[in-house]
Amino acid sequence: GAVVSQHPSWVICKSGTSVKIECRSLDFQATTMFWYRQFPKQSLMLMATSNEGSKATYEQGVEKDKFLINHASLTLSTLTVTSAHPEDSSFYICSAREIGTGNYGYTFGSGTRLTVV
Amino acid sequence: QQQVKQSPQSLIVQKGGISIINCAYENTAFDYFPWYQQFPGKGPALLIAIRPDVSEKKEGRFTISFNKSAKQFSLHIMDSQPGDSATYFCAALQTMDSSYKLIFGSGTRLLVRP
Repeated sequence: GAVVSQHPSWVICKSGTSVKIECRSLDFQATTMFWYRQFPKQSLMLMATSNEGSKATYEQGVEKDKFLINHASLTLSTLTVTSAHPEDSSFYICSAREIGTGNYGYTFGSGTRLTVV
Repeated sequence: QQQVKQSPQSLIVQKGGISIINCAYENTAFDYFPWYQQFPGKGPALLIAIRPDVSEKKEGRFTISFNKSAKQFSLHIMDSQPGDSATYFCAALQTMDSSYKLIFGSGTRLLVRP
């Protein structure tokens, strides 16, 4: 089945530094990838939609200059949290939609736990 | 109109019992309804999904019941096992919407007692 690899699974960084999270579709091509943020015991909050070769579409209230998204190829999207602060600590999850199969069962990555100290 | 309302927030079931989680939606343009299972520290995994042209779909111990007129759908877990203890999210998608955004319910934390 479709597999999405997300890396790293956890990261601790100092306040003010930047952190990059990678999301790769391993066995399928994905024109569209999604980035979510999840707080403890809460649902997934969509941050942005990443389209291959074009600018990401951010949800209302998400700072695009803080959360930089790049979708450079059909199998890779990256989320960079710039100038991270403790309030950015969260669980970040990506998902990918497979092209052309009519499959709407989006595949999720295993998530990245970001802790900013 | 974009919301998907999910209940209950938490559920405790004895091993072997039936777990039932309910969701309701308003947007009649939604035409794909998946359920996701999420274990702590992991991403959600697709469990089962249904299109509104059928009223029920069963895969193993998991069944989705769909009531189009009431705009409601539910997940039934038969013979619930401790390994089913996880958070379950219903979701809805408008497949003709080019944004392809999944709209998630608020989640149900299921605990199956041995």
